[in-house]
Amino acid sequence: GENVEQHPSTLSVQEGDSAVIKCTYSDSASNYFPWYKQELGKRPQLIIDIRSNVGEKKDQRIAVTLNKTAKHFSLHITETQPEDSAVYFCAARPRSGSARQLTFGSGTQLTVLP
Amino acid sequence: EPEVTQTPSHQVTQMGQEVILRCVPISNHLYFYWYRQILGQKVEFLVSFYNNEISEKSEIFDDQFSVERPDGSNFTLKIRSTKLEDSAMYFCASRQTEQPQHFGDGTRLSIL
Repeated sequence: GENVEQHPSTLSVQEGDSAVIKCTYSDSASNYFPWYKQELGKRPQLIIDIRSNVGEKKDQRIAVTLNKTAKHFSLHITETQPEDSAVYFCAARPRSGSARQLTFGSGTQLTVLP
Repeated sequence: EPEVTQTPSHQVTQMGQEVILRCVPISNHLYFYWYRQILGQKVEFLVSFYNNEISEKSEIFDDQFSVERPDGSNFTLKIRSTKLEDSAMYFCASRQTEQPQHFGDGTRLSIL
């Protein structure tokens, strides 16, 4: 089955700096890669996603890049703000199968220092 | 915006007791999921449900677990005889075809 590795486990940045979180996946059949933000005690919320036919996607201060050959994808947050502080999870989903469940990485605790 | 709703938000149960966690997926969604998150750990897939049957299940989803869609709106997870290690946050999710999964707020299950 799919295995997703995520690094780093914790990340502290100064407000206004950029943050980068990296994930690798094992199953070359995976073709959909969402990123979720989870604030303490709350639901995971989708912040951006990318499909395997695209190398990069951007939404305001958030961008995701995908390298299919190396099987890794990254989340980039620019101009970080204190409200970006949360746990971020990457995930991968297979191309085929009726379930197409998500396999999550272990999470990154991002702290943005004011 | 429509949301996945879960009840209760917190369930405290004695070890060995049965517990039922309830979810109302978004109304036009066709695929339903249960995930588990032990405190401080990653979200883990339990089971998926489509067309009124289980489509995939993980190793975690053993004979103690079952899911049902008893009517057109509810989607339930039952744990028959709870163990201490079942203590976790349980998230329900749903999606439409080729769309992202939407998660509920979760049920915090505490086994005493």
